Amino acid sequence: EVQVVQSGAEVKKPGESLRISCRTSGYRFDTYWIGWVRQTPGIGLEWMAIVYPGDSDTRYNPSFQGQVTVSADKSVSSAYLQWNSLQASDTAIYYCARCSGHSSGCHYFDYWGQGVLVTVSS
Amino acid sequence: DVVMSQTPLSLPVTLGQPASISCRSSQSLLHIDGNTYLSWLQQRPGQPPRLLIFNVSRRFSGVPDRFSASGAGTDFTLKISRVEAEDVGIYYCMQATRLPFTFGPGTKVDIK
Repeated sequence: EVQVVQSGAEVKKPGESLRISCRTSGYRFDTYWIGWVRQTPGIGLEWMAIVYPGDSDTRYNPSFQGQVTVSADKSVSSAYLQWNSLQASDTAIYYCARCSGHSSGCHYFDYWGQGVLVTVSS
Repeated sequence: DVVMSQTPLSLPVTLGQPASISCRSSQSLLHIDGNTYLSWLQQRPGQPPRLLIFNVSRRFSGVPDRFSASGAGTDFTLKISRVEAEDVGIYYCMQATRLPFTFGPGTKVDIK
């Protein structure tokens, strides 16, 4: 059974750094992309980035490029989303999801984590 | 970016009756590999999104057959043949043909 489990809620101050995690099981981690999606009440769902654990290849939404870093660690079947300097506008729910598709591509998110609420407030 | 729109944004439905949601993209979602990467997700209150449909019309594992979808190019439709109480939530279309992937604004389905 495929499972995707995310780390717990975070409360941070502006300017602080943060890394949230996404642990997977039930499938071969290094052969599927993992994606990150932000959800905010005003904007809805936004695709942020994907990472391919097999070779650490990444793709970023230009809107998030330079603002966050995605990575993966095959040894623990986990992916990560990292900020070096949080802003209040980063307050949101962040989901990771396995991405499946044709020929090891990424074309739909089939298994989702439960989400991580990140609150950034002074 | 490919802009995804959905209609209606709010859909009150009667239990047991059909429901239909439309999704339109600003560009064709036909990929150069011949596939169309349009998926539908359901988000129940307080839950993460859940995949219902991928590649326009393929039901994901475990999804009831009262959910069906169709479309091509820039116009797509999700249908629920007979709405049940557990179908309450927000439905999103998402395109993964062109980077960056983009989502529709969501259609809120609730019971009349």
